[in-house]
Amino acid sequence: AQTVTQSQPEMSVQEAETVTLSCTYDTSENNYYLFWYKQPPSRQMILVIRQEAYKQQNATENRFSVNFQKAAKSFSLKISDSQLGDTAMYFCASLIQGGSEKLVFGKGTKLTVNP
Amino acid sequence: EPEVTQTPSHQVTQMGQEVILRCVPISNHLYFYWYRQILGQKVEFLVSFYNNEISEKSEIFDDQFSVERPDGSNFTLKIRSTKLEDSAMYFCASSSQGAVTGELFFGEGSRLTVL
Repeated sequence: AQTVTQSQPEMSVQEAETVTLSCTYDTSENNYYLFWYKQPPSRQMILVIRQEAYKQQNATENRFSVNFQKAAKSFSLKISDSQLGDTAMYFCASLIQGGSEKLVFGKGTKLTVNP
Repeated sequence: EPEVTQTPSHQVTQMGQEVILRCVPISNHLYFYWYRQILGQKVEFLVSFYNNEISEKSEIFDDQFSVERPDGSNFTLKIRSTKLEDSAMYFCASSSQGAVTGELFFGEGSRLTVL
């Protein structure tokens, strides 16, 4: 069974600073995908970044990057130059490759960016 | 910008009553999903729907639950006889290429309170 764990229920960061959100996962599969989703207050959840497990290179999307450590089953999200609009719940999720449509989510980390 | 819309935003019902939650996915999307989040817990997969049939469902999605795409635009989740433990936020999502891309477009959610 897949599990995703986010050990930080809440975090805060000063505007323009860098913050790292932690995520660990457990799966017996070798081929899978990992995702970070963002849910701003009273808004829809949106995809931030995606990582294929077979790729060693860490995914990057503008100010968002991941540190994917496959052996350690760790998938942290780094937000550089934090902006007020980054304030949101951040969910880590996994998906087994091979036809499954089931995303498995962590509990989320509430990030507050302070001015 | 196209988005997934859900109605109602909040519904209060008595235990044992039937509830229908409605979703309008993005118009050219082919994959449809329901997830739910009980307060303080993880976002959980309920069901995926593709080509007019359920493609995958979780153990939560028992005989009390059903989904339907009655008219090519709406995607509904029906709970036949609600229980207290069905109280949760229910999220609808749609995708053009499936969960493997991570590009699930979520609605804002329907909060269900069962008394």
